Amino acid sequence: DAMVIQNPRYQVTQFGKPVTLSCSQTLNHNVMYWYQQKSSQAPKLLFHYYDKDFNNEADTPDNFQSRRPNTSFCFLDIRSPGLGDAAMYLCATSRETSFADTQYFGPGTRLTVL
Amino acid sequence: AQSVTQLDSHVSVSEGTPVLLRCNYSSSYSPSLFWYVQHPNKGLQLLLKYTSAATLVKGINGFEAEFKKSETSFHLTKPSAHMSDAAEYFCVVIPSNNAGNMLTFGGGTRLMVKP
Repeated sequence: DAMVIQNPRYQVTQFGKPVTLSCSQTLNHNVMYWYQQKSSQAPKLLFHYYDKDFNNEADTPDNFQSRRPNTSFCFLDIRSPGLGDAAMYLCATSRETSFADTQYFGPGTRLTVL
Repeated sequence: AQSVTQLDSHVSVSEGTPVLLRCNYSSSYSPSLFWYVQHPNKGLQLLLKYTSAATLVKGINGFEAEFKKSETSFHLTKPSAHMSDAAEYFCVVIPSNNAGNMLTFGGGTRLMVKP
């Protein structure tokens, strides 16, 4: 089945220690998104890639970076995690960014910062 | 500007009884509307989607929603709740004039199903 895969499902890191979260997709979609979802809140978009074009949300902290080496993979790098970065991180994909083009979500990675 | 409001943060029903999760939106244009479900420690799964076709939209797992422009509502219903329906539900809007498919989420409704 075509899908969005996130690894690992659970990640523990230490305060200030860089961490990388991974997302891959077999849908061959052009667009990949990263969301942050804190406890009992709705997901918040951090940034997205249309193909190789990176689109950052205005309020995404510089501490968060992303890489998309090819169509299938996208990475979220947190350069110096703080306690406030503990959250569920969701990856999503869509074929295009046309009006109402459906976003398909992965299972998420839950990040704990000690 | 657009926004979406989920009127109940928590809803509790008994197994086998109807489910109603309420959602109101504000949009100056004809929006597209979605319902997503999130089970504990899982990603979001699309339940159904409205994009200006039929106003009654049928989704997966027996859920449906009706777009009512006059009431600016898109409430989610299911005739008979199952224990496996216990989850967080998000109503999501995309206004038609948006430059893309960026999602605006409601605050979420946690559905609890009692045996």
